[in-house]
Amino acid sequence: ELKVEQNPLFLSMQEGKNYTIYCNYSTTSDRLYWYRQDPGKSLESLFVLLSNGAVKQEGRLMASLDTKARLSTLHITAAVHDLSATYFCAVAKSYNTDKLIFGTGTRLQVFP
Amino acid sequence: DVKVTQSSRYLVKRTGEKVFLECVQDMDHENMFWYRQDPGLGLRLIYFSYDVKMKEKGDIPEGYSVSREKKERFSLILESASTNQTSMYLCASSLSGRKLFFGSGTQLSVL
Repeated sequence: ELKVEQNPLFLSMQEGKNYTIYCNYSTTSDRLYWYRQDPGKSLESLFVLLSNGAVKQEGRLMASLDTKARLSTLHITAAVHDLSATYFCAVAKSYNTDKLIFGTGTRLQVFP
Repeated sequence: DVKVTQSSRYLVKRTGEKVFLECVQDMDHENMFWYRQDPGLGLRLIYFSYDVKMKEKGDIPEGYSVSREKKERFSLILESASTNQTSMYLCASSLSGRKLFFGSGTQLSVL
């Protein structure tokens, strides 16, 4: 059974600092997604990672995928307050399925 | 612009009531999903539909059923609501192999 684990669960960081959120999953899959959720709002797609070594970047966020290690990272560079949100990774349950298993989420708080 | 619309933002029901949560998407997506979101548990898949009248159970289908009579509409039904079904319910849709688009959610409280 596929399990998806994120850490840390909660992250409080100062503006301008760098940090990484980790997403581990237990069985092979062909797709990994990162989503962002602002308080009281729905989920917004950030990245889709499809292959080993894939790297996607947008603004201060960069996501990467290592399928051999079953690990994805979401790196935050020079954090700003606007990045405060909860970040979820989600993994396709198996090949050729659209059912996703979500991690528990990482709540990020950026303070001045 | 892509849109997934859930009919209610907040809903309060009593134990034993039959509850309908409605979701409509305007993107002609074949896939539609119902998730529930609980603190510390992330999102858990309740049901998935890949075509009209076609459905698959997710990870926590007990106590729920679904209906998809038209491509754009996916309904979640709680046959007899219980307090442990108090949660945030999120509907999503997608094309096969592509990212999910989520609705804004329905916060259901069962008293």
